[in-house]
Amino acid sequence: DTEVTQTPKHLVMGMTNKKSLKCEQHMGHRAMYWYKQKAKKPPELMFVYSYEKLSINESVPSRFSPECPNSSLLNLHLHALQPEDSALYLCASSRLGLAYNEQFFGPGTRLTVL
Amino acid sequence: GQQLNQSPQSMFIQEGEDVSMNCTSSSIFNTWLWYKQDPGEGPVLLIALYKAGELTSNGRLTAQFGITRKDSFLNISASIPSDVGIYFCAGQVPGANSKLTFGKGITLSVRP
Repeated sequence: DTEVTQTPKHLVMGMTNKKSLKCEQHMGHRAMYWYKQKAKKPPELMFVYSYEKLSINESVPSRFSPECPNSSLLNLHLHALQPEDSALYLCASSRLGLAYNEQFFGPGTRLTVL
Repeated sequence: GQQLNQSPQSMFIQEGEDVSMNCTSSSIFNTWLWYKQDPGEGPVLLIALYKAGELTSNGRLTAQFGITRKDSFLNISASIPSDVGIYFCAGQVPGANSKLTFGKGITLSVRP
């Protein structure tokens, strides 16, 4: 299984809503990532989890709250978002170690904040 | 910080033609990755390169890790309509702790 899955595919939320994005992989990868991508731009790193612990937070606003319940799952909790947070949110996973930097991406969640 | 330069922003080719894309940097990278992204989907890994001078193929795709470790190229031979998409290069510098640096991407259009 070389797939990263993400749910939901699309999400529309108001600025007062609380929602969560979910990501799952069964490749045995111990690093998982959240990226934000605007149209026709490269992905921007938000968070990195290594061995289920948060290792990198790229100064992301606290209205985005990541969670890694176990080695296969990654969540992104959303609260009080702004319209400018509308984007494609991508999850990725990889092995850990100097020689294993291939990141595999999920299909993304298209988020629209009204 | 590190930057990867991909240009031009868009390329237009005829079906059946070969196309080459470059990715350059002023910094040394120890990993080069090439991704393709279709509209509304996540990036798909095409080729991964780990050694300077390495040449790797994946079907009609060929990529090379530059000898100086500051560049990489991707060739697509005999293009077909489904090659349309955005091609991103990504690299990792030594000690970057899992972080990738992405180029801005090249949008490829293929005319039938």
